Amino acid sequence: AQRVTQPEKLLSVFKGAPVELKCNYSYSGSPELFWYVQYSRQRLQLLLRHISRESIKGFTADLNKGETSFHLKKPFAQEEDSAMYYCALAYSGNTPLVFGKGTRLSVIA
Amino acid sequence: ETGVTQSPTHLIKTRGQQVTLRCSSQSGHNTVSWYQQALGQGPQFIFQYYREEENGRGNFPPRFSGLQFPNYSSELNVNALELDDSALYLCASSSRGSSYEQYFGPGTRLTVT
Repeated sequence: AQRVTQPEKLLSVFKGAPVELKCNYSYSGSPELFWYVQYSRQRLQLLLRHISRESIKGFTADLNKGETSFHLKKPFAQEEDSAMYYCALAYSGNTPLVFGKGTRLSVIA
Repeated sequence: ETGVTQSPTHLIKTRGQQVTLRCSSQSGHNTVSWYQQALGQGPQFIFQYYREEENGRGNFPPRFSGLQFPNYSSELNVNALELDDSALYLCASSSRGSSYEQYFGPGTRLTVT
């Protein structure tokens, strides 16, 4: 079965420090991987997806098929990055998302 | 372009009752997916509707049912409510051609007492 694991429930970093939110998945095929973010009092929204290979708000994520990981990284954390981050997987076209349990990122001033 | 809307925002029901949650999809989207998010968990897929037909279902019992209407809005119905049904219910809409990009509504918080 497809599974997404986010090992950290809470990650606290100081402003300006690097951030890495970990995500591992289990799936035998070639999944599509995503990061969703939920800021305080806002709805869940797409942050980035691996197929676009883009940087959004300074965040990047590289799909490592050998390690089945899709870690989210940012070199310098900002206070406005404080939010709940969910890693998600879709295993074929038009299929639903499988989410991890999420990591709460807290950036301390 | 209007976003995904859900109603009601909050709901309190008693065990054994039935509930209907509503979702209006984003303009131009023809696919609606419903997710249940229990406290401290990530969203869990319930089912998806495309052109008024169920198009995939997660590991939820038959007392969870849904509808999609010609205007692509959708309902989630839950019968015989149980305490464990207390959760945030999220609706997400997408376009069939790019269904990986799902747009989420604000959710309905259901509390079963």
